[in-house]
Amino acid sequence: EAGVAQSPRYKIIEKRQSVAFWCNPISGHATLYWYQQILGQGPKLLIQFQNNGVVDDSQLPKDRFSAERLKGVDSTLKIQPAKLEDSAVYLCASSQRHTGELFFGEGSRLTVL
Amino acid sequence: GIQVEQSPPDLILQEGANSTLRCNFSDSVNNLQWFHQNPWGQLINLFYIPSGTKQNGRLSATTVATERYSLLYISSSQTTDSGVYFCAGQNSNSGYALNFGKGTSLLVTP
Repeated sequence: EAGVAQSPRYKIIEKRQSVAFWCNPISGHATLYWYQQILGQGPKLLIQFQNNGVVDDSQLPKDRFSAERLKGVDSTLKIQPAKLEDSAVYLCASSQRHTGELFFGEGSRLTVL
Repeated sequence: GIQVEQSPPDLILQEGANSTLRCNFSDSVNNLQWFHQNPWGQLINLFYIPSGTKQNGRLSATTVATERYSLLYISSSQTTDSGVYFCAGQNSNSGYALNFGKGTSLLVTP
């Protein structure tokens, strides 16, 4: 069974530029999560989808971050414009249901200069 | 949402030693998971354990939901156990977010 796929693995941009990350969850998993992990900290939930609907985006900085999950399968997380403090690893995870076991992708490491 | 505290923050062990990692949470949970983040950053799910005890090889976990804590036991540690161990908890009554603690950084030396 294929795991959670993410791309790109690494991205370096200048501040005020935009960037997009893509995630394809495990087949059949209804719940998809985007987490932000800053160096030395635990992952912080940015947004959670159940199928193609948002169930929690309370910690998403909506003035610059956006995410969508069209057709309830893969998802895109966008940052525009990026700030220095957005430098982090962006982790995508999926689970069969919203209280289920989480499986993570390898992450997308963003460096904002 | 649930607040998660982990202890100790750092741990150094010699190969073969045993250890216990602790996770306290601020409210009752109906979802509690332990993860291992290896030195390359990959997060691996170790246990899904909202209550009770589970074992997987040299690792085992116990969650005492009524007392709001969970323990992860590592026996006969190996250098490949090094990395950061996270627990994450969720209470559906206070939101959907599965919130992570700050982790325990483990280094196992030869």
